[in-house]
Amino acid sequence: EPEVTQTPSHQVTQMGQEVILRCVPISNHLYFYWYRQILGQKVEFLVSFYNNEISEKSEIFDDQFSVERPDGSNFTLKIRSTKLEDSAMYFCASRTVETQYFGPGTRLLVL
Amino acid sequence: AQSVTQLDSHVSVSEGTPVLLRCNYSSSYSPSLFWYVQHPNKGLQLLLKYTSAATLVKGINGFEAEFKKSETSFHLTKPSAHMSDAAEYFCVVTYNYGQNFVFGPGTRLSVLP
Repeated sequence: EPEVTQTPSHQVTQMGQEVILRCVPISNHLYFYWYRQILGQKVEFLVSFYNNEISEKSEIFDDQFSVERPDGSNFTLKIRSTKLEDSAMYFCASRTVETQYFGPGTRLLVL
Repeated sequence: AQSVTQLDSHVSVSEGTPVLLRCNYSSSYSPSLFWYVQHPNKGLQLLLKYTSAATLVKGINGFEAEFKKSETSFHLTKPSAHMSDAAEYFCVVTYNYGQNFVFGPGTRLSVLP
């Protein structure tokens, strides 16, 4: 069964550094998403992406965040200058008609 | 605004006994509803979904959920808990064909031997 994959599974970075989280959505899906889950808290929507542009973003998704689909298969989330509070699990998802399918997540730790 | 309430942050059951995880959603138009499970240090796995067909939905691993519009509820049940069911369970609602997913706060299920 096709699934969403994410790399890396874990990332440790220093505050102020840039990180890129990578996702490969399910191949025939057209809608892509990023979510984050701070430890012990609920899953929060960050951004949705369709037809090579952002279709919706939350208040969390400020100027330090960006997304792109560089090559037709990968979907990336870039955090330009990481802060301590960016430490979280980041989930990618892709969507068919009504259901979002989630990747295994990338656990980001900012020191 | 759309919202999802999971009434219990933690549920503890003995192995072999029934499981009930409660979920209520804010009433607006016709929702689609989902349950996802997250095992420790793992991703989010789809358990089951309701998308305006049968109100009693069967999912994987013996789980079921019933959509009750009059009660704005979508509670998750399983007749007999297994140790491997210990995980975090999230109820999710969407009103626009899956574009916007709103997560509940989650319920941690513990299964005692």
